[in-house]
Amino acid sequence: DTAVSQTPKYLVTQMGNDKSIKCEQNLGHDTMYWYKQDSKKFLKIMFSYNNKELIINETVPNRFSPKSPDKAHLNLHINSLELGDSAVYFCASSPGLAGGAYEQYFGPGTRLTVT
Amino acid sequence: SQKIEQNSEALNIQEGKTATLTCNYTNYSPAYLQWYRQDPGRGPVFLLLIRENEKEKRKERLKVTFDTTLKQSLFHITASQPADSATYLCALDPPPGNTGKLIFGQGTTLQVKP
Repeated sequence: DTAVSQTPKYLVTQMGNDKSIKCEQNLGHDTMYWYKQDSKKFLKIMFSYNNKELIINETVPNRFSPKSPDKAHLNLHINSLELGDSAVYFCASSPGLAGGAYEQYFGPGTRLTVT
Repeated sequence: SQKIEQNSEALNIQEGKTATLTCNYTNYSPAYLQWYRQDPGRGPVFLLLIRENEKEKRKERLKVTFDTTLKQSLFHITASQPADSATYLCALDPPPGNTGKLIFGQGTTLQVKP
């Protein structure tokens, strides 16, 4: 069984479109995250949720809207896509919020290409 | 703000040797430091976590040290194998430490040659 899954794996779309990425974890974790990894391989946190509550919003443009329907799911909706949004987006989960005390489990990533 | 630096140049070593990767950080004293492995086209995979009051942590062929005075962590792979070739990321928890947030270094790519 996959611990953290994301769909789709690849997403190619045009500027101005709206798209969503879905994430599910079957680990029973309370906390989920979205990360962005750019072409230089820097992995940066975008959002974190704990039991469906938004904890971190890392000055991400408001075109990005996360939604957590339950603590096993965290989706990412992106409006009016721009070229600079092209990156790999990773979902992750951890048992709790206690800073670096918990390891994080990452999904396989969604490669978003905006043309 | 907190900053993490890893050697961005790839590290090439011969199979059987010990690989040593460096992670330096500034402007903060993290309570925890983590190391992850990332293979091309895949998500990072957790390897080891070390606490600020631990000098060293081991797991099989892996060893991590944490020097809070030097603000440095070293990651060692002994008896390296070609299968150890990957990018290794270090991460720390910035203040306030209760948000789950991790800051990642840019990673060091290790290439183990047979």
